[in-house]
Amino acid sequence: AQSVTQLDSQVPVFEEAPVELRCNYSSSVSVYLFWYVQYPNQGLQLLLKYLSGSTLVKGINGFEAEFNKSQTSFHLRKPSVHISDTAEYFCAVRDSGNTPLVFGKGTRLSVIA
Amino acid sequence: DAGVIQSPRHEVTEMGQEVTLRCKPISGHNSLFWYRQTMMRGLELLIYFNNNVPIDDSGMPEDRFSAKMPNASFSTLKIQPSEPRDSAVYFCASKVTGASYEQYFGPGTRLTVT
Repeated sequence: AQSVTQLDSQVPVFEEAPVELRCNYSSSVSVYLFWYVQYPNQGLQLLLKYLSGSTLVKGINGFEAEFNKSQTSFHLRKPSVHISDTAEYFCAVRDSGNTPLVFGKGTRLSVIA
Repeated sequence: DAGVIQSPRHEVTEMGQEVTLRCKPISGHNSLFWYRQTMMRGLELLIYFNNNVPIDDSGMPEDRFSAKMPNASFSTLKIQPSEPRDSAVYFCASKVTGASYEQYFGPGTRLTVT
């Protein structure tokens, strides 16, 4: 079964600084990878997804992620964060097939003014 | 589209009472998921349906929990009897069948059992 590891449970960062949120998944022949964001008291929203093709995926709000098959990683990055990016971020993976997404435990990003 | 609709948004009940959470998936979506989120355990998948049929309920904590999907536009998650440890935010999500499609989440129901 697939599993997802988000190595950092909390990441504090100053406003306008770059950030990287790390995600590793268990290996599989093919996977679909997703990053979701959860703002306080809200449901999860899709930030971006990797299905195939270019390993660099661009999402909403200036976020991007890079799929690295050899490292089984899908790290999320943003070159300059805003206060409004304070939220919890979840990495998720699915094998080929119509199975549910497997989520990591989440990383709480706190942007400090 | 209104997105995934959940009701109620907040529920406070006493231990031992029955609780019913409701979900209306996005029209045209044929997979539906129920999740529970707590600080201690994070986001847990409870059960999911494909074409109204329960596929995997191995995440349902115990017999006090049950879920139904009588038609393509409605699902319920019932807890009977409720216990304080059931306090959590319960999310419903839906998607189109197919591995590459993302899940769309509802706003959640915050359940507090006193």
